[in-house]
Amino acid sequence: QVKVVQSGAELVKPGSSVKLSCKTSGFTFSITYMNWLKQVPGQSIEWIGNIYGGDGGTNYNQKFKDKATLTVETSSSTAYMDLSSLTSEDSALYFCARGGWFFDYWGQGVMVTVSS
Amino acid sequence: DIQMTQSPASLSASLEEIVTITCQASQDIGNWVAWYQQKPGKSLQFLIYGATSLADGVPSRFSGSRSGTQYSLKISRLQVEDFGIYYCQQASSVPYTFGVGTKLELK
Repeated sequence: QVKVVQSGAELVKPGSSVKLSCKTSGFTFSITYMNWLKQVPGQSIEWIGNIYGGDGGTNYNQKFKDKATLTVETSSSTAYMDLSSLTSEDSALYFCARGGWFFDYWGQGVMVTVSS
Repeated sequence: DIQMTQSPASLSASLEEIVTITCQASQDIGNWVAWYQQKPGKSLQFLIYGATSLADGVPSRFSGSRSGTQYSLKISRLQVEDFGIYYCQQASSVPYTFGVGTKLELK
């Protein structure tokens, strides 16, 4: 069955970077888009961008273009998101989710806390 | 960016009741709408896609409809497991955007 498993919670310092992972199984990663989304607790959801598993082609929300970098490792069916120059505004729950337009399988989410 | 104006923000309902949540798109997005449910501290569950199609494994008491640029999620005969937060999402153009969410609580 389809599984989408994200890495664990992160506590990081302002100005630093963090790399989140999203390991998948149960489907053909190379013909699938993987998305990353942000949710500040108690608020709605923002789409950060997506990446195609086959060739690493990306689409970004302009709001996150200088903040997030999406990559994939097709051999391990894993998607990654690098978040750079972290500030308190980046503290949030980050999800990865499968799908090109609609998101049918979601990871469990990873909490990133930016604090000194 | 396309705005999805979702209402109501919160809703109290009883078991077996029928409830409807709506999203108004800021422009024509065809049937490019999905609905999701989120339980506290949990990830999102995919409910409806293409405005009206039920995702695999979703109970038939859930249904989606469209009238112009207004989209609705209807839950017939509310069950205990239906309480949570519901979000609409447009997939017509990037950036994909979500409504603010509707918190459905037990009355």
